[in-house]
Amino acid sequence: QTVVTQEPSFSVSPGGTVTLTCGLSSGSVSASYYPSWYRQTPGQAPRTLIYNANTRSSGVPDRFSGSILGNKAALTITGAQADDESDYYCVLYMSTGTWVFGGGTKLTVL
Amino acid sequence: EVQLVESGGGLIQPGGSLRLSCAASGFSFSTYAISWVRQAPGKGLEWVSTISGSGGDTYYADSVRGRFTISRDNSKTTLYLQMNGLRAEDTAIYYCVKKGVAASFDYWGQGTLVTVSS
Repeated sequence: QTVVTQEPSFSVSPGGTVTLTCGLSSGSVSASYYPSWYRQTPGQAPRTLIYNANTRSSGVPDRFSGSILGNKAALTITGAQADDESDYYCVLYMSTGTWVFGGGTKLTVL
Repeated sequence: EVQLVESGGGLIQPGGSLRLSCAASGFSFSTYAISWVRQAPGKGLEWVSTISGSGGDTYYADSVRGRFTISRDNSKTTLYLQMNGLRAEDTAIYYCVKKGVAASFDYWGQGTLVTVSS
């Protein structure tokens, strides 16, 4: 049973920088898992932020960036704004044709 | 403009069956794999199933394999999810999601709520 790990919650100050991570309970995340990131605000469908580890989806501000940091995928938000408060989810693609989402990170900007 | 519109959700008793639909428009439907992703109330996202553009390949999460069947009608640009043997833990919003490049999900529908309860 593959488990994808994310910080349950994180807090950042307005204007600050925060890095959310996406790991595996067993093993390392690499580009071959095609990590992607989504944000979701209450009552709304998720929206794509980053795909293929580090490619921003169309219309996503360059304040959002993705990378592989050590053995995890990472989403970095620079110059955090109040409306960045959301739930952030990563998902990893498994070679078996399946996907596994992380549990999500609730980001608070205060 | 890509649009994915889910329908068919509702209240169903445990053990019952339900078929969800997702009407797609704005892209070459038969070219792309489409998935169902669900979200239980107050919980995170869970990938449920994916079907290839041709419909020839299907994939399922362990939690639904053997109970759910994904299918598509490319002539109607519509995706389906037949759900049998429903359980309380299947209660969730079900999103229809288009597969993008590099194994990503690039467009999401607004979802349809399935509630399994007696």
